[in-house]
Amino acid sequence: GNSVTQMEGPVTLSEEAFLTINCTYTATGYPSLFWYVQYPGEGLQLLLKATKADDKGSNKGFEATYRKETTSFHLEKGSVQVSDSAVYFCALIDRGSTLGRLYFGRGTQLTVWP
Amino acid sequence: DTEVTQTPKHLVMGMTNKKSLKCEQHMGHRAMYWYKQKAKKPPELMFVYSYEKLSINESVPSRFSPECPNSSLLNLHLHALQPEDSALYLCASSPTLLDTQYFGPGTRLTVL
Repeated sequence: GNSVTQMEGPVTLSEEAFLTINCTYTATGYPSLFWYVQYPGEGLQLLLKATKADDKGSNKGFEATYRKETTSFHLEKGSVQVSDSAVYFCALIDRGSTLGRLYFGRGTQLTVWP
Repeated sequence: DTEVTQTPKHLVMGMTNKKSLKCEQHMGHRAMYWYKQKAKKPPELMFVYSYEKLSINESVPSRFSPECPNSSLLNLHLHALQPEDSALYLCASSPTLLDTQYFGPGTRLTVL
């Protein structure tokens, strides 16, 4: 079946620290991979995506590379800011399906201190 | 523009009330979704519409009734809800079923 596993949180960092949030997946078909971010009291915002192996998605200093050999899509940022404090969700859509279901990881709470 | 709008932003209702949540997008997307999100959890899929036809109903109780009157609009009608239905209700849309989903800001529902 399809599933997404994210590292457990919460993650607490000082400003300007390096961030990695691990995400691995299992998929029956050929997935597209996503990172969504949810700020307190808000909906989900698409942060970045990748649709095929070795694609790198990037946005606002965040990056993630689609690694088919390790079934991973880890999120990284070189220097986090207080404004990056949020919950981050890794997700996939199985493009071999006809249903369009988005499979989410459990979410990782990130808190950045000044 | 990748904007999905939802109204109202907050809703408080009693267990005997009838209310509706509204979702709108003007991106020409032909797939629209309702999700329910409890605190500190990922969103749970409730319903999926593709070309205005219901394509997924995730065994949601009948007190939740979706409606897609046209390609831009998605409603969720609520009746006789329970306190455990209190949650953030998120709407999303995508060009087609297998494309990137874009989420609205959500409606925070409290059932008393």
